[in-house]
Amino acid sequence: QQKVQQSPESLTVSEGAMASLNCTFSDGTSNNFRWYRQHSAKGLEVLVSIFSDGEKEEGRFTAHLNRANLHVSLHIREPQPSDSAVYLCAVSTGGGSNYKLTFGKGTLLTVTP
Amino acid sequence: NAGVIQTPRHKVTGKGQEATLWCEPISGHSAVFWYRQTIVQGLEFLTYFRNQAPIDDSGMPKERFSAQMPNQSHSTLKIQSTQPQDSAVYLCASSYRDWGPNTGQLYFGEGSKLTVL
Repeated sequence: QQKVQQSPESLTVSEGAMASLNCTFSDGTSNNFRWYRQHSAKGLEVLVSIFSDGEKEEGRFTAHLNRANLHVSLHIREPQPSDSAVYLCAVSTGGGSNYKLTFGKGTLLTVTP
Repeated sequence: NAGVIQTPRHKVTGKGQEATLWCEPISGHSAVFWYRQTIVQGLEFLTYFRNQAPIDDSGMPKERFSAQMPNQSHSTLKIQSTQPQDSAVYLCASSYRDWGPNTGQLYFGEGSKLTVL
């Protein structure tokens, strides 16, 4: 069964400094990786999806995937206080006739002015 | 595009009562997913449908929980004889497609918060 772990549990950065979040997964056949964020009591907002090793940029959000190391990361360039939220990593094998995402427990990001 | 619509946003039930949660997926999306979110467990997969057919219900508690998708415009999650441990936010999501190498993006509703007293 897929295990997804995120680190750190919480992270505080100053406005404008780079924020880096990590996610490890257990199933080496995984091929769908998503980063979402969730503001308090709100739904999930998709940030970036990545399907192959390397880098994928969406605005200020960049995902890096290294499947050999079972690792995917999210980097937030020039974070703003409005980026303060819980960031969730989601992983799927996306193969065969079944597709479901397994989520990590999230990293709480706080961006201070 | 109104997004995924979930009703009710908040529901309070007494122990032993039934709760039904509704989800209207984004028009044209063929896959519908249900997740449960708690502080302790985080987001847990419950079940999903493709073109209204159940594909995977491996996350559903075997007793008391059931999900249906009678038509392409809505899905329901029913919990019978609710227990305090069922208290959670139940999230519905839909996707344009769920197959192929670059599967469709999952779009989530804002959730239904269930409180069982």
